Amino acid sequence: GDSVTQTEGPVTVSESESLIINCTYSATSIAYPNLFWYVRYPGEGLQLLLKVITAGQKGSSRGFEATYNKETTSFHLQKASVQESDSAVYYCALGEGNNRIFFGDGTQLVVKP
Amino acid sequence: DPKIIQKPKYLVAVTGSEKILICEQYLGHNAMYWYRQSAKKPLEFMFSYSYQKLMDNQTASSRFQPQSSKKNHLDLQITALKPDDSATYFCASSISKGVRAEVFFGKGTRLTVV
Repeated sequence: GDSVTQTEGPVTVSESESLIINCTYSATSIAYPNLFWYVRYPGEGLQLLLKVITAGQKGSSRGFEATYNKETTSFHLQKASVQESDSAVYYCALGEGNNRIFFGDGTQLVVKP
Repeated sequence: DPKIIQKPKYLVAVTGSEKILICEQYLGHNAMYWYRQSAKKPLEFMFSYSYQKLMDNQTASSRFQPQSSKKNHLDLQITALKPDDSATYFCASSISKGVRAEVFFGKGTRLTVV
């Protein structure tokens, strides 16, 4: 079945440092799944951070970027300089034909001031 | 203002009892979903509805029954509760069930079965 594997948390970085959270996926039900990064800030619901629906394309939002790599089945999340307000849980996810979304386990990011 | 309202936020239930989790969305969406996140497990898809009709069911147990009394409501009835049902249940919605439609999530109902 479809599945997503991402960096195990917590990931701790200092403010202004760079960040990468790895994500790889396995899609058996659809050749070109939609790929997403969702984020849950403390006390908040799950929010879509960015999505890419075309292989080879890059999505970006709030300084975060992720590139849909079909060859390596990866969708790593990167940010050049994190801020304390980026502390949250980040979920890599895959969407297939019925709009069913498969989530990774989530990666807790802790940004130290 | 939250556009997907889930009630209650926290719920404690006794084993064997029945509970209903409430979900209302004010986004004008036609598709609604339920997801569940148990301890140390990823978010798992449970059900999808489109125009108040069941489209997809990935929940093996018939103890879980979605109920859609209105287009913008999708409640989840859980009967004969077990401790393993303890989880956070997330309601979600999208403008349509199409693969390109963005899915929006509520804040969840945390259910604890004792």
